Parts: sequence; structure tokens; C-alpha cells
Amino acid sequence: EAGVTQFPSHSVIEKGQTVTLRCDPISGHDNLYWYRRVMGKEIKFLLHFVKESKQDESGMPNNRFLAERTGGTYSTLKVQPAELEDSGVYFCASSQRSLQGAATEAFFGQGTRLTVV
Amino acid sequence: AQTVTQSQPEMSVQEAETVTLSCTYDTSESDYYLFWYKQPPSRQMILVIRQEAYKQQNATENRFSVNFQKAAKSFSLKISDSQLGDAAMYFCAQRSVSGTYKYIFGTGTRLKVLA
Repeated sequence: EAGVTQFPSHSVIEKGQTVTLRCDPISGHDNLYWYRRVMGKEIKFLLHFVKESKQDESGMPNNRFLAERTGGTYSTLKVQPAELEDSGVYFCASSQRSLQGAATEAFFGQGTRLTVV
Repeated sequence: AQTVTQSQPEMSVQEAETVTLSCTYDTSESDYYLFWYKQPPSRQMILVIRQEAYKQQNATENRFSVNFQKAAKSFSLKISDSQLGDAAMYFCAQRSVSGTYKYIFGTGTRLKVLA
């Protein structure tokens, strides 16, 4: 079974440009999460999808970040325009929903390292 | 607010020896999950071990075990018989049993294994 895959693995862009990160969750996983780790800091929650709906986007830093999950399958995270402080590693994770509706163990991707110069 | 603290940015251990990684957390919830995740360089983050807060027994997974002290809000990871493949970034995390199920992570501990 394929795990959570993220594209690209690395991206270097100039300040002011746009970047789109993609996450393909494990097939059948309704829950999809985006996290970010800034160098040396903790991994911070950005948002949570249940299928195509945003369940919690309390961690999104500002309106330069836009996450979508059309059709409830893969998700994209767009940063427009990118700023220097957006540099970091962006992780995606997915999990199933149990019969009781709770989330099971989350599986993480390898992350996308974004560098804004 | 929920927080997770890992006070050791980096640790080293000799191959075949034992090492303990520290983690403390803070939460107002009575039931929650605690995790240790491992991320080798440029690879996926994988689950090492999970502890459910209502269980008093410490979780173990082969060479990996935890020392869970609920009253002290401490959740350390012990790696026995360390192997070169254990070298990675280790993240301690906490998750609610309800709500959005988001993980609260610590800053991570980089473990080096010396041959």
C-alpha cells in the first residue's frame, strides 16, 4: 500500500512568487492534515480536512495560504505571494475514520522543504 | 493550551547502548494519546510508539519503550540496543481523543548513533 506522498520534495522560490504543494493521502483516508515545521521549531498544525470539507483551519498563518481538497482525494496548499518567513518543511498526514467517527493513527508524508529567497 | 516540550535538541548514543529521549507535555484533558515519531533524513515520518493516557502500563515496541508518568506529564522514550538505523529526528506528540485530532508536536531531538 502506498503511503502519503508529497510533491515536490524540495522547492526554492523567490519572495513574491507562488508555490503549490501537493499531498496524496493514503487511499480511503477521509482525514487529511497539513503541518509546517520552521527550522528548529516544533511542527505546527495548519489545517484539517474531512473529505473535501475544512474541519479546522485555525493554524493557517494568514490569507496568503490557501488549501483545497477538491473531491476529497488529494490536497494542495498554495502560498501566494510567498514571503521569507514561509520557509520550512510542510508535512501532510492522513488518517481513517473509525466506525465510531474517531480518527485513527495518522500517517505522514516525507514533507516538502520550501525555501523562499 | 496544549504544549509539548523536548529539551534535548541533540543526543548521541553508542551502537548497542541504551538512550533515553525526554518529553514533557501540558494539557487540561484527562484522556489523550501520546506518540513518538521518527523521521530519518529526507524520509517519511513514521510512528515509533503510542501510549493511551488512560492506560497505566507503559507501551513497548521491540527495542522501544516509554516511561509514562501521567501525574508528572512526562513521556520519555527509551531505545535499547541502539542501531545505526535508529539515527533520525524524533518527535514527541500529543493528540486529543476527540475534536479535530490534530497533533501537538515538540521541537524534536536529533539522535546520532555512533559506530
